[in-house]
Amino acid sequence: QAVVTQEPSLTVSPGGTVTLTCGSSTGAVTSGHYPYWFQQKPGQAPRTLIYDTSNKHSWTPARFSGSLLGGKAALTLSGAQPEDEAEYYCLLSYSGAYVFGTGTKVTVL
Amino acid sequence: QVQLQESGPGLVKPSETLSLTCTVSGYSISSGYYWGWIRQPPGKGLEWIGSIYHSGSTYYNPSLKSRVTISVDTSKNQFSLKLSSVTAADTAVYYCARDNYFDYWGQGTLVTVSS
Repeated sequence: QAVVTQEPSLTVSPGGTVTLTCGSSTGAVTSGHYPYWFQQKPGQAPRTLIYDTSNKHSWTPARFSGSLLGGKAALTLSGAQPEDEAEYYCLLSYSGAYVFGTGTKVTVL
Repeated sequence: QVQLQESGPGLVKPSETLSLTCTVSGYSISSGYYWGWIRQPPGKGLEWIGSIYHSGSTYYNPSLKSRVTISVDTSKNQFSLKLSSVTAADTAVYYCARDNYFDYWGQGTLVTVSS
């Protein structure tokens, strides 16, 4: 089974920009992995921010964007807000089966 | 509005079978999408368990495949999870969700494996 790797933790200043990445042990992440990005706050269920690499749900704040970057999936947060402090997980599809990333703890400080 | 709700025992003994049901409201499972199960051990990350289509087609996490069965009951608009031979390592919050977009999730239910 593939291992999906994320940065363990990142810190961003209020109003600043941070990019989270999501890599696959099987090689480059492509659009064929249909990358997803989730935000999870303590005690809450995860909430999907991005699906299929860069598509947003109606509830996704405009400051979040998804892309492919250097063989990885990427989530960019531009103009960080205090309420963006959370754990972020990526999810990749491998021919119908999914693997979650290890998660990134984002601190807004 | 689509809503999902997990139900089932909160305590399961080691070596027994964990059984959970997800009841969907606001959308007919028969209309489409895959429906899945995800779990999260206390203080740890998310793990995708598997998913099912209304036709019964399934995908499973290879690391759990030998112990997992996911089934669907379209008449009740429910889908279910069975995980056999559980150990303490299966203690987790179990979520059900609408796969494909992962746009709708249940609130999660904590299942503890303990004697």
